[in-house]
Amino acid sequence: DAKTTQPPSMDCAEGRAANLPCNHSTISGNEYVYWYRQIHSQGPQYIIHGLKNNETNEMASLIITEDRKSSTLILPHATLRDTAVYYCIVRVGIYDMRFGAGTRLTVKP
Amino acid sequence: GAVVSQHPSRVICKSGTSVKIECRSLDFQATTMFWYRQFPKQSLMLMATSNEGSKATYEQGVEKDKFLINHASLTLSTLTVTSAHPEDSSFYICSARDPGLAGGDHNEQFFGPGTRLTVL
Repeated sequence: DAKTTQPPSMDCAEGRAANLPCNHSTISGNEYVYWYRQIHSQGPQYIIHGLKNNETNEMASLIITEDRKSSTLILPHATLRDTAVYYCIVRVGIYDMRFGAGTRLTVKP
Repeated sequence: GAVVSQHPSRVICKSGTSVKIECRSLDFQATTMFWYRQFPKQSLMLMATSNEGSKATYEQGVEKDKFLINHASLTLSTLTVTSAHPEDSSFYICSARDPGLAGGDHNEQFFGPGTRLTVL
């Protein structure tokens, strides 16, 4: 699996967009970028995934650079309930998903 | 989306006893489930892959005789922590993929709510 690098922590003001970066410079052509989040003491929650095109769903947008070496997860209007640890995972498929340290996002009022 | 449940949500036991944790896929059949462990302030660590009708595959460093996994049906996998000790106290999480969803192997994985084990 390609290694990912995320900032350990970030803050965001409530109502503003939260932009969470992820570097995956060793990603290979058939590896997807997945984003999950974990709210304190809960199981991880799927957010979004993509291969090379930008993706958007009801939760977030995923922007992948053209060279695919980095991506950004965007939460367009962060709320206090978005406070969580966000994990960027690069993997060929969905099996045995492995988690790094992630980014602890704190949304502040 | 698909739902994965775990039972119990919290368990406290004495050192030396065995504890069983159940993981169920509520509205889909899962041929494969995954077990993770998470210590405080750390990330999730994959322990093993549970395959229906066959032996589980354990990650390096995980004792298979200590963490017994049984995947007897397409909707249930169990993790038994045998002879638990305080160092086994952790948050145990299972996950599964719904093979019936479009998208094949690139579908999302659904996680259970976790079981917090405290060994006294």
